[in-house]
Amino acid sequence: NAGVTQTPKFQVLKTGQSMTLQCAQDMNHNSMYWYRQDPGMGLRLIYYSASEGTTDKGEVPNGYNVSRLNKREFSLRLESAAPSQTSVYFCASSEFLAGETQYFGPGTRLLVL
Amino acid sequence: AQSVTQLGSHVSVSEGALVLLRCNYSSSVPPYLFWYVQYPNQGLQLLLKYTSAATLVKGINGFEAEFKKSETSFHLTKPSAHMSDAAEYFCAVIPSNFGNEKLTFGTGTRLTIIP
Repeated sequence: NAGVTQTPKFQVLKTGQSMTLQCAQDMNHNSMYWYRQDPGMGLRLIYYSASEGTTDKGEVPNGYNVSRLNKREFSLRLESAAPSQTSVYFCASSEFLAGETQYFGPGTRLLVL
Repeated sequence: AQSVTQLGSHVSVSEGALVLLRCNYSSSVPPYLFWYVQYPNQGLQLLLKYTSAATLVKGINGFEAEFKKSETSFHLTKPSAHMSDAAEYFCAVIPSNFGNEKLTFGTGTRLTIIP
């Protein structure tokens, strides 16, 4: 039982390049989330998926897109990376959307030059 | 809108001393409150969760937190700090479990343990 897994662990991009961050969970959870973590700002929600087939914007969605590929997988895409997107990205999942404990992946450290 | 404030971005305590990490929230309805811990280069893991069943909540690794509605606080404590407690701690809030309310995190408190 791996929990929440994320790939890659670390990535360096040049401004304007695109990439997709992958996330998968094996806990049969309905809801999944993408956060970014920046020093002194805690975690901020980028996008979330309350259930398979639905996605919604969080607090900081600009510059990102998501896909809920199936119940297990939730990917985050940067179409044209900017230095402001340098951050650590965390995927999380929970059984349902509200009031439930969220389980986090190990994170992807992204550097945009 | 709900928010959570963590007082002190850095806290240092001596090994064996009391750990007190402060969290205040703003919510118009009884909230769900969480403390998460993040060890270096890892994701977040749940320490404890308040869901209105009891005001004093016990978590993992000897941590506990008390919900005080009158003070809108949910401070995290541990009687005796251990070197392994060095980490970053995040308080988080959901106003209720009805509707589409999302988890909102505080800015975090980095705990350093002095040998």
